[in-house]
Amino acid sequence: GEDVEQSLFLSVREGDSSVINCTYTDSSSTYLYWYKQEPGAGLQLLTYIFSNMDMKQDQRLTVLLNKKDKHLSLRIADTQTGDSAIYFCAVSGNTPLVFGKGTRLSVIA
Amino acid sequence: DAGVIQSPRHEVTEMGQEVTLRCKPISGHNSLFWYRQTMMRGLELLIYFNNNVPIDDSGMPEDRFSAKMPNASFSTLKIQPSEPRDSAVYFCASSPKQGNTGELFFGEGSRLTVL
Repeated sequence: GEDVEQSLFLSVREGDSSVINCTYTDSSSTYLYWYKQEPGAGLQLLTYIFSNMDMKQDQRLTVLLNKKDKHLSLRIADTQTGDSAIYFCAVSGNTPLVFGKGTRLSVIA
Repeated sequence: DAGVIQSPRHEVTEMGQEVTLRCKPISGHNSLFWYRQTMMRGLELLIYFNNNVPIDDSGMPEDRFSAKMPNASFSTLKIQPSEPRDSAVYFCASSPKQGNTGELFFGEGSRLTVL
């Protein structure tokens, strides 16, 4: 089945850019998502990209997709303390969404 | 809209007891998903329903777990008997589209502790 891998931790200074990376195995994935989970809460959709796109920008968020390498990244510009959370990569194709284990982003003031 | 509503938010029980978790999806959504989150295994899909019909329950860990969706506005996940290794946060999510595509809207989760 689909496998989605992410690094578990990332620490950045406030004001710097954060880059969270994700790799996946299913080349038939059609939609690729980034979700955010704040402490004690459920996951919320941050942004998504369709598989025929290379890049999507939404305010401080930039999603890059390298379909050849099956690599997805999320860049957060000007990272703020409020961005501290767990970020999940998720992909869909022939099965319901498969999530990575999440990357815990810590923002140091 | 009120969003996906789960209850209870927290449950502490003893090994062997029956646990029932409840979920009310967003009105008009066609699909409902149950996920389990642990530190070790991350977010695992347990089961999902399209139009109240169970489509894939291959993620349900054992016969001790069962899920029902008697109507479009309510679903339960039951564990009987519960064991300490069932301790996790259980999330319910709904989607306006069926199965594979579309955004999932998550509830705030039910944190289960089995002693």
